[in-house]
Amino acid sequence: DADVTQTPRNRITKTGKRIMLECSQTKGHDRMYWYRQDPGLGLRLIYYSFDVKDINKGEISDGYSVSRQAQAKFSLSLESAIPNQTALYFCATSAKSSSGTSSIGSYNEQFFGPGTRLTVL
Amino acid sequence: GIQVEQSPPDLILQEGANSTLRCNFSDSVNNLQWFHQNPWGQLINLFYIPSGTKQNGRLSATTVATERYSLLYISSSQTTDSGVYFCAVRYYGGSQGNLIFGKGTKLSVKP
Repeated sequence: DADVTQTPRNRITKTGKRIMLECSQTKGHDRMYWYRQDPGLGLRLIYYSFDVKDINKGEISDGYSVSRQAQAKFSLSLESAIPNQTALYFCATSAKSSSGTSSIGSYNEQFFGPGTRLTVL
Repeated sequence: GIQVEQSPPDLILQEGANSTLRCNFSDSVNNLQWFHQNPWGQLINLFYIPSGTKQNGRLSATTVATERYSLLYISSSQTTDSGVYFCAVRYYGGSQGNLIFGKGTKLSVKP
């Protein structure tokens, strides 16, 4: 079974609709991230969470919101979808530093889900 | 912020050939990862290599952190190696936990 799962895998929706993308992980990681990829580009960070009570905006958070329902679940919402939010969305996870603290200086390997292809018409 | 540049942007190989992909970055990093994005869009972790050299089968990677570059070597390429290869880093000056991605090298391996 995959360690990081995303649902749905593909979604087509219309402008103005509310959309939720879900991410679950069985890796036991504390840190979770949402990224977006546009054609021909690398990934950019939307939101990230270092634990259940910690939510932070990333580079391109406008138009998005997130919820960390549990350590293993991190969902991304588009409150009112617009066509330029058409993209491939990835969830990722990583462990805390090996010392057991959330030291900003310690960042471990990130693991990505399979992606959700979202089209907004 | 940090700049991550990958070269070449496109690479076409005949099956069996070897190749070297390069990633340059403009600041000190504490995390560097190489990924392969397959034609279905999935990101596959290849290496976690903030410094040093690692090998995994036909692939190997070297990061020289003091000179701010990393290299990914692919030997005896196969058609299944086709896709986009991304380098991503997390730098000491960053306030967020995310990886900064380069724009990738698109590899096409012809039979």
